[in-house]
Amino acid sequence: DTAVSQTPKYLVTQMGNDKSIKCEQNLGHDTMYWYKQDSKKFLKIMFSYNNKELIINETVPNRFSPKSPDKAHLNLHINSLELGDSAVYFCASSPTGLFSYEQYFGPGTRLTVT
Amino acid sequence: GEDVEQSLFLSVREGDSSVINCTYTDSSSTYLYWYKQEPGAGLQLLTYIFSNMDMKQDQRLTVLLNKKDKHLSLRIADTQTGDSAIYFCAHEAAGNMLTFGGGTRLMVKP
Repeated sequence: DTAVSQTPKYLVTQMGNDKSIKCEQNLGHDTMYWYKQDSKKFLKIMFSYNNKELIINETVPNRFSPKSPDKAHLNLHINSLELGDSAVYFCASSPTGLFSYEQYFGPGTRLTVT
Repeated sequence: GEDVEQSLFLSVREGDSSVINCTYTDSSSTYLYWYKQEPGAGLQLLTYIFSNMDMKQDQRLTVLLNKKDKHLSLRIADTQTGDSAIYFCAHEAAGNMLTFGGGTRLMVKP
């Protein structure tokens, strides 16, 4: 029973391409998040989203966009990939409200841009 | 399913010590981490321990690792109101990918 799943686990692509990372949670949670892990293992919040509200970290380039086809999914779409986008991306979900104390993380997606 | 588990909530008085516990199942863990998340922010790496160590101390923070029982703890000495946050443990195994616990909310009362 995977609570929060991400696909793919590894993604290698070339600069300039457009790619998506999918995230699904089967916990019935209202809120989902995307984090980017930097080289010092700091997880920076990129987006948080529930049925009513999308909060975007203003430092995230607009090449990144979250897409939520339904409450259980929050996909991360990235246009015109750049070398600096190489990182590990984590999806997470929580049951109520933003940053409630239970956050369940997905396994991460390692993106490598060449 | 979850293979890293934490208790959800801990309340302490200012000046007391806090102990946040974590259990994991993956015996191949190399490094184990503690992260702190303040409201609306990302996860900040607090400290880490290599799997062949039993203890690591860093100022007010003490990490204890019982590898046999797969138990990790974070002790915060002289807890302050600024320590109120959510604390996540994580382990790093194959492929250098992290697996996180669900987080423990620490509330510090004045």
